Amino acid sequence: NAGVTQTPKFQVLKTGQSMTLQCAQDMNHEYMSWYRQDPGMGLRLIHYSVGAGITDQGEVPNGYNVSRSTTEDFPLRLLSAAPSQTSVYFCASRRGLTASNEQFFGPGTRLTVL
Amino acid sequence: AQSVTQLDSQVPVFEEAPVELRCNYSSSVSVYLFWYVQYPNQGLQLLLKYLSGSTLVKGINGFEAEFNKSQTSFHLRKPSVHISDTAEYFCAVSEVAGYSTLTFGKGTMLLVSP
Repeated sequence: NAGVTQTPKFQVLKTGQSMTLQCAQDMNHEYMSWYRQDPGMGLRLIHYSVGAGITDQGEVPNGYNVSRSTTEDFPLRLLSAAPSQTSVYFCASRRGLTASNEQFFGPGTRLTVL
Repeated sequence: AQSVTQLDSQVPVFEEAPVELRCNYSSSVSVYLFWYVQYPNQGLQLLLKYLSGSTLVKGINGFEAEFNKSQTSFHLRKPSVHISDTAEYFCAVSEVAGYSTLTFGKGTMLLVSP
């Protein structure tokens, strides 16, 4: 199993540009989520999904959209990038819906918005 | 809603010395507790978790943590650290009910020197 994969690893955008961060998992996990990591802030939840067609907002959803058309994929869209969105983004997945199951993280995407 | 406080942003320690990384949480309901480790330029990896039962939990790489309900703490310990333990450590909490999300602390950087 490849686990949780994320592309790209690095990205530089200009203010106002749009892009999609890709996340895929091959473990047939129901639950997927996106976090952003900023220095001294830990990880903050952006959006999460409990299955195909079902998404919900986390702690910091503004400026981001998600969709879940398949179990495997959970892309994160930035419609109009802002410098405040400069961060490292992590995608994660877990089996089932209970939080007692381990959450597996991807390697991250480092995004810089100029 | 739950929250996590990691009391130290950075902990310097010499190789083979013991270490304790402190974590306190706040929640009005029953919780699961986790410790994750992040090595430089990598994603997060689960070290250990407390779900129920014995309050002393053993994890990978010789780490252990003790759940103290009265003090709402979940401190991480290792009796003898190695250089390779240098990493950032995150405490996280999730409510037991439903398909709860993980809330992370801000992280503690463990710096092990020879």
